Amino acid sequence: GENVEQHPSTLSVQEGDSAVIKCTYSDSASNYFPWYKQELGKRPQLIIDIRSNVGEKKDQRIAVTLNKTAKHFSLHITETQPEDSAVYFCAASTAGYKLSFGAGTTVTVRA
Amino acid sequence: DTEVTQTPKHLVMGMTNKKSLKCEQHMGHRAMYWYKQKAKKPPELMFVYSYEKLSINESVPSRFSPECPNSSLLNLHLHALQPEDSALYLCASSQVGGRVLEQFFGPGTRLTVL
Repeated sequence: GENVEQHPSTLSVQEGDSAVIKCTYSDSASNYFPWYKQELGKRPQLIIDIRSNVGEKKDQRIAVTLNKTAKHFSLHITETQPEDSAVYFCAASTAGYKLSFGAGTTVTVRA
Repeated sequence: DTEVTQTPKHLVMGMTNKKSLKCEQHMGHRAMYWYKQKAKKPPELMFVYSYEKLSINESVPSRFSPECPNSSLLNLHLHALQPEDSALYLCASSQVGGRVLEQFFGPGTRLTVL
C-alpha cells in the first residue's frame, strides 16, 4: 500500500517568516494530494490540495508543489501568523476513497 | 449547508455499555466515512459507505458496527469496547466520482471508555 512520510514532525517559526513541510510518497500511481490543518480540539480541515496533472497550486498565503518524478510534495506557508499554529497532515491517494496520511507536523508560530 | 455534524461531542462509557455515534451531512455527498484518531496521530480509516452500501471495512473489530440509514446519516454502534478504543471518532463525507474527491470532516466525538 501507499506509504507517506512527513517532515519535520515539529516546526517553530517566527511570526512573519515562512514555513515549509515536506512529504514523500511511495506509490507512483498516487494522483491526489490534500493537506489538512487541525487545530487543537478541532476537526481536520482541508486547506489545499493538488492533483498529479498540476505542479503547483497557490491560495493566498499557502501553496503546494508536487514533484512526481521525485515523488514528493510540499506545503509552503508565507507570512506566518499565530493562527497558523496547528498540526498539519499531508495525504496521498491513488483512487477511490482511501487517503494515506503522513504522521503530521506540529507548527508553532512565535509572536 | 456545508458542514458535517456529529453527536454527541463527548461520550463516556463503560466496557459493558452500548452506545451510538451519529453523523449527518446535507451536502448531497454519497460517500461517508468513519475514522478513529488518537492524540497527535493522523486519522485512521475504519469504514466507508458509498451510496449507502458498505464499501470498505478496514478490518475493524466487530464491537464497532456501522450503519447508513440514508444518504445523509451515518451511525457507529458501539458495544463491549475496551479502554484502548478511547479516541476521537471522526465522520467525513465526499462526493462520489471517477477520481478521488475532497473529504470533509465533522468535529468528531471524543470517546472515553472506562
